[in-house]
Amino acid sequence: KQEVTQIPAALSVPEGENLVLNCSFTDSAIYNLQWFRQDPGKGLTSLLLIQSSQREQTSGRLNASLDKSSGRSTLYIAASQPGDSATYLCAVSRRTDYKLSFGAGTTVTVRA
Amino acid sequence: DGGITQSPKYLFRKEGQNVTLSCEQNLNHDAMYWYRQDPGQGLRLIYYSQIVNDFQKGDIAEGYSVSREKKESFPLTVTSAQKNPTAFYLCASSIAGTKYNEQFFGPGTRLTVL
Repeated sequence: KQEVTQIPAALSVPEGENLVLNCSFTDSAIYNLQWFRQDPGKGLTSLLLIQSSQREQTSGRLNASLDKSSGRSTLYIAASQPGDSATYLCAVSRRTDYKLSFGAGTTVTVRA
Repeated sequence: DGGITQSPKYLFRKEGQNVTLSCEQNLNHDAMYWYRQDPGQGLRLIYYSQIVNDFQKGDIAEGYSVSREKKESFPLTVTSAQKNPTAFYLCASSIAGTKYNEQFFGPGTRLTVL
């Protein structure tokens, strides 16, 4: 069974600092990995999707890397802003049936 | 304006009642999913459907039922058999059967048992 872990569970940084969020998974046989953002009481917003054949994906201030062999992905957010405060979840797509397995998320607070 | 809608936003249920959560999408996606989210936990899959008139149980299907009569709609019924239904419920959709499988989510329904 695929286990997805996100450490730390919570993170607080001053505005302007770069954010580094970690995601690890136990089974490297994945199709892709997806990073989501969730604001309190809201649904999930897809940020980045990395295919298993890719090493990284970038969108604006966001960059996500994938190391399938070690079962790790890292989401980098450059020059953080208070508006980046949210919970960030990663999910991996199982190779057998495309279903997603989710981590519990990292809750980020960016202090002004 | 394409997207996924869920209703109601908040729902209250008495003990012994069945309630139905609505999920509608206009993205022309074949696949739809229902997840449950509890505090401090990742999302857990309840049911999913890859095509109209077909659906499969996810990891925590007990006490729930679904139907898929139309491509756009995938309602979830929380039955009285679900012992701990208080949670945040999220619906998602994607293009079916591809390795891309990027899932898009609705705004969620918060269900509380009184």
